[in-house]
Amino acid sequence: AQKVTQAQTEISVVEKEDVTLDCVYETRDTTYYLFWYKQPPSGELVFLIRRNSFDEQNEISGRYSWNFQKSTSSFNFTITASQVVDSAVYFCALRWDSNYQLIWGAGTKLIIKP
Amino acid sequence: EAGVTQFPSHSVIEKGQTVTLRCDPISGHDNLYWYRRVMGKEIKFLLHFVKESKQDESGMPNNRFLAERTGGTYSTLKVQPAELEDSGVYFCASSQVEQGTQYFGPGTRLTVL
Repeated sequence: AQKVTQAQTEISVVEKEDVTLDCVYETRDTTYYLFWYKQPPSGELVFLIRRNSFDEQNEISGRYSWNFQKSTSSFNFTITASQVVDSAVYFCALRWDSNYQLIWGAGTKLIIKP
Repeated sequence: EAGVTQFPSHSVIEKGQTVTLRCDPISGHDNLYWYRRVMGKEIKFLLHFVKESKQDESGMPNNRFLAERTGGTYSTLKVQPAELEDSGVYFCASSQVEQGTQYFGPGTRLTVL
């Protein structure tokens, strides 16, 4: 079965702290894709990153970084020096190669306090 | 470039009424998807269009839901008759190719009373 688990329902940190959002996935496919989306208070889902199963290189984009580890079936997301504008719900999602629908985690609500 | 747009942003209707949601994909995107998130649950796939054809409608909950994409441009999702359990946020997404990244609209919040 295809499944995405985001065990952290809500995380609250003070501005400038680093924070890691966890994502664990299950799939029997060898070719698959992992995604992170951000949902700010305005409601839209904003695409952040896409990784395929053959590329385990970690990715860094400014204050954002992603750690993909196939050995633990995890695709964790770290925000360094968090800012109030990072407050949002963050979703991890999975798509396998032969199907185009996204399988979603429950989301993690991130609150950054000033 | 304009993103995915959805109309209306909110809709409140009585049980038994009909509601039609609209989605305009990013220009040039042949692939259009509908998802929904009902209260307390994960976001779930509903269906996928390639141009005007339904590629995958395995996520449509029942025959009260009808999706169309005439002319391969915008899409509508009609719920008739609406039930209480249909309340939630309906998201639309589009991608240029089937394997491409899906870009989402702001969603339509549907409340059925």
